Amino acid sequence: DAGVIQSPRHEVTEMGQEVTLRCKPISGHNSLFWYRQTMMRGLELLIYFNNNVPIDDSGMPEDRFSAKMPNASFSTLKIQPSEPRDSAVYFCASSPRLADTGELFFGEGSRLTVL
Amino acid sequence: TQLLEQSPQFLSIQEGENLTVYCNSSSVFSSLQWYRQEPGEGPVLLVTVVTGGEVKKLKRLTFQFGDARKDSSLHITAAQPGDTGLYLCAASNFGNEKLTFGTGTRLTIIP
Repeated sequence: DAGVIQSPRHEVTEMGQEVTLRCKPISGHNSLFWYRQTMMRGLELLIYFNNNVPIDDSGMPEDRFSAKMPNASFSTLKIQPSEPRDSAVYFCASSPRLADTGELFFGEGSRLTVL
Repeated sequence: TQLLEQSPQFLSIQEGENLTVYCNSSSVFSSLQWYRQEPGEGPVLLVTVVTGGEVKKLKRLTFQFGDARKDSSLHITAAQPGDTGLYLCAASNFGNEKLTFGTGTRLTIIP
């Protein structure tokens, strides 16, 4: 069975450029999460969706970040314009149910480097 | 904001030794999960604990949820090189799907 699929796996871009990260959750999962991981701050929740609707975006750092989930099988995280401090590994995760004990299934991450 | 502090931050021990890592908070949680993350991959769930005082075993790994549901520990017996990785605790509050992750313990088992 396919897991959570993220693309690209690696991206190197210059400051000021637009970055779009993509995620395909596991089929049938109704919750989707975007996390960012850095050595300094660990794993931080940016935003999560339930049934394609954004539920909590309080972790989105600033207006340069936006996320969409146009349908149950696709989500994007966009950074525009990108800055060097955005360099991190961005993870997408999905969960099969709205429950506080639900397991998160993570993708392999997208490693972003902004020069 | 919930804060989950994990200790130690780094741990390097010889194969065959035992170890315990901790996850502590001042908040009460409805459930707590432990994940392991290997380089270049996303975290993978090891266990979920939901009841205060609960103990779960997964082969050589023993997980405990504190009686007050504010802390947890992970004990590994006879550590193996395959146990190497970043161990993350994660917790959520009642009725909230939002999962907050701890600061992590980076474990290295030396053959």
